[in-house]
Amino acid sequence: GAVVSQHPSWVICKSGTSVKIECRSLDFQATTMFWYRQFPKQSLMLMATSNEGSKATYEQGVEKDKFLINHASLTLSTLTVTSAHPEDSSFYICSAREAAQPQHFGDGTRLSIL
Amino acid sequence: RKEVEQDPGPFNVPEGATVAFNCTYSNSASQSFFWYRQDCRKEPKLLMSVYSSGNEDGRFTAQLNRASQYISLLIRDSKLSDSATYLCAVALRSASKIIFGSGTRLSIRP
Repeated sequence: GAVVSQHPSWVICKSGTSVKIECRSLDFQATTMFWYRQFPKQSLMLMATSNEGSKATYEQGVEKDKFLINHASLTLSTLTVTSAHPEDSSFYICSAREAAQPQHFGDGTRLSIL
Repeated sequence: RKEVEQDPGPFNVPEGATVAFNCTYSNSASQSFFWYRQDCRKEPKLLMSVYSSGNEDGRFTAQLNRASQYISLLIRDSKLSDSATYLCAVALRSASKIIFGSGTRLSIRP
């Protein structure tokens, strides 16, 4: 079945650091990738949608300059949390889709900012 | 109003019981509906899509009521391994972004 790999799975860093999270589709071409954030005991909130080769579309309330998304190839999208602060600590999950096929989720990245 | 709403629970039921969850959505133009299961600190996994005529997969039955804009999930003969958070999800079209509900926590006790 389709596999989406997310890296790293867990990161702890100091406030002010920028953190990059990678999302890779391993056996299909991900024309669209989605980035979600999930705070404890809350739902997955869609942050942005990215199509390969074009700028990401951000959801209302998500700062595009703080959460930089790059989808430069059909198998890789990255999310960079710039100048991360403790309130950015969360579970970040990507999903990927080929054309109109179902989305496949990565296994998430747990980000802790001290 | 949230786009997708669910009772957060928790539902605590004995093994073997039947349990049902409901979910409501606000956008009447929604076309695709799903139930996902999420275990603690894990990514969501698709449990089943929901079709207009209703569909069943083993012990799981999903129903869609477009007129009332709600989706339901019924779990029969519940197992300990069914303990998880169940997320309702909706999309405008099959290829659109998916919007998730906040999830309903289910705990099955021996």
